[in-house]
Amino acid sequence: DSGVTQTPKHLITATGQRVTLRCSPRSGDLSVYWYQQSLDQGLQFLIQYYNGEERAKGNILERFSAQQFPDLHSELNLSSLELGDSALYFCASSAPGGTEAFFGQGTRLTVV
Amino acid sequence: AQKVTQAQTEISVVEKEDVTLDCVYETRDTTYYLFWYKQPPSGELVFLIRRNSFDEQNEISGRYSWNFQKSTSSFNFTITASQVVDSAVYFCALSEYNNNDMRFGAGTRLTVKP
Repeated sequence: DSGVTQTPKHLITATGQRVTLRCSPRSGDLSVYWYQQSLDQGLQFLIQYYNGEERAKGNILERFSAQQFPDLHSELNLSSLELGDSALYFCASSAPGGTEAFFGQGTRLTVV
Repeated sequence: AQKVTQAQTEISVVEKEDVTLDCVYETRDTTYYLFWYKQPPSGELVFLIRRNSFDEQNEISGRYSWNFQKSTSSFNFTITASQVVDSAVYFCALSEYNNNDMRFGAGTRLTVKP
């Protein structure tokens, strides 16, 4: 158990819908990262938050947004969903200073 | 931006063989961190090792060893006497000190046959 909790584990939704994925980081970690893993794109960095502030942005679509709350949990919002958004979405957290990131179990999103 | 290349898409070995997974990286930063993660069939990503750019010492942990060479920008991972339980996708990753996103290679799928 990495200590990072992601909910839900599985999500099936229709095209055009909006979903929210939730992540609770390890105790004491200030950084939260979101990654998307799909078969054809590999593990893609989406966005990072540090102590509530956006720190780095990767290949995140405009239809996607994220935030980190004062209690350090984070949410990834995916809207106007398309079939191609079906993927495994990982959250990871780390302590400051370039330390290793620990990953949650992932949320498997299926868009039908 | 940083880049990680894992040229080996898939490797298949027979149990007890040694296997090396290659990782080549690109970065302009002088301070950076390299990582290896394992993704078994169950899907979770398991942290294996972190190496910072100032520490070129090789590391051994049981059957696992890592060879970091700045001169060739490589951070290779060797599994000695492989076992079926080593079957997984292995990812190499790079994080720059001044750039907080951790970039992953495409991964190498290792299959160890009994």
